[in-house]
Amino acid sequence: NAGVTQTPKFQVLKTGQSMTLQCAQDMNHNSMYWYRQDPGMGLRLIYYSASEGTTDKGEVPNGYNVSRLNKREFSLRLESAAPSQTSVYFCASSEATHSTQETQYFGPGTRLLVL
Amino acid sequence: GQQLNQSPQSMFIQEGEDVSMNCTSSSIFNTWLWYKQDPGEGPVLLIALYKAGELTSNGRLTAQFGITRKDSFLNISASIPSDVGIYFCAGQLTGGFKTIFGAGTRLFVKA
Repeated sequence: NAGVTQTPKFQVLKTGQSMTLQCAQDMNHNSMYWYRQDPGMGLRLIYYSASEGTTDKGEVPNGYNVSRLNKREFSLRLESAAPSQTSVYFCASSEATHSTQETQYFGPGTRLLVL
Repeated sequence: GQQLNQSPQSMFIQEGEDVSMNCTSSSIFNTWLWYKQDPGEGPVLLIALYKAGELTSNGRLTAQFGITRKDSFLNISASIPSDVGIYFCAGQLTGGFKTIFGAGTRLFVKA
């Protein structure tokens, strides 16, 4: 049981390049999330998917797109990377996002450097 | 928007010492969560609190949900080197998509 997996672990991009971060969970969770973590700041929500087939913006969605490919997979795409998107990206999943007693499980993160 | 103030930002302690950290908010929450992040890893849930006033333990860790619903603290007793990491508090009002994270407390433990 792997939990939440993310690929790649590390990535270096040039400004303007595009890439997709992959995330998969094997816990049969309904909800999935993408966060970014920057030094001295807490995790900030980029996008989330409450259930298969739905996606919604979080706190910092600009410059990103997401796809909930199926119940297991939730990808994050940077169409034209900018240095401000240098960060550590975490994917998370939970049983149900609208529950008031809901626990998120996090992947190991993708470290992205945009030059 | 909602913000959590987590303090202290960092702590340098000797092995065996007790540790206390806390989070405060100007808004109320229905759930308080405490996560630990090891270097190079994602956050892992330590303790979840669901009721105002609730006091919950997990081994050497104890956390409390403040009665005003605007604060929470985490205590670690008899610290050991593997306690090193970043501890995050998080507040939830209506569910996962409304989880607000604190900036974290970096804990360093000297053997």
